[in-house]
Amino acid sequence: SQTIHQWPATLVQPVGSPLSLECTVEGTSNPNLYWYRQAAGRGLQLLFYSVGIGQISSEVPQNLSASRPQDRQFILSSKKLLLSDSGFYLCAWSSRDGGREQYFGPGTRLTVT
Amino acid sequence: AQSVAQPEDQVNVAEGNPLTVKCTYSVSGNPYLFWYVQYPNRGLQFLLKYITGDNLVKGSYGFEAEFNKSQTSFHLKKPSALVSDSALYFCAVRDWGGSYIPTFGRGTSLIVHP
Repeated sequence: SQTIHQWPATLVQPVGSPLSLECTVEGTSNPNLYWYRQAAGRGLQLLFYSVGIGQISSEVPQNLSASRPQDRQFILSSKKLLLSDSGFYLCAWSSRDGGREQYFGPGTRLTVT
Repeated sequence: AQSVAQPEDQVNVAEGNPLTVKCTYSVSGNPYLFWYVQYPNRGLQFLLKYITGDNLVKGSYGFEAEFNKSQTSFHLKKPSALVSDSALYFCAVRDWGGSYIPTFGRGTSLIVHP
């Protein structure tokens, strides 16, 4: 069966510090991968998605970046965090068939102080 | 273009009563429709989906949803609510002929009272 991992689970970082969040998927190949942010409240904001190694599409211009160095690894980064980067970050995967549902990781709670 | 609306921020229901969480959508072509549930400080969990076929879709934990093309709706239902069903519920839509990226609703908070 497929499993998606995210780490760390929680993170408290000062403004201006770098960020690296990692997501890995097990039990599937060639997945579509996604990074979402969920601010206080509820709405999901799509940040990045990837259909393959090295292929990243950005939905929202910001100080975050994403990389996909391996087929089942997706990394979210920032060189300098802003207060507004605080939130709940979710990684998700779906199969290449566009009709398929997404499966989400457990999330990372980021607080920028 | 595709969009989805969840008109209720919060739904309150007594335990044992039926529940409905509403969702309406808009797509250019035919829709893929999904429901997800999120418990506090957790990721979203897939509940059920409509792709084609029977308009009544059954999913996890006793939930079901009815696809209504004429009303462009995909309401989530359960015959008898449990306190443990209290969570945040998201509807999502994707257009068959459009982007494979789904659009999510803002979410509806379901509160089941004992």
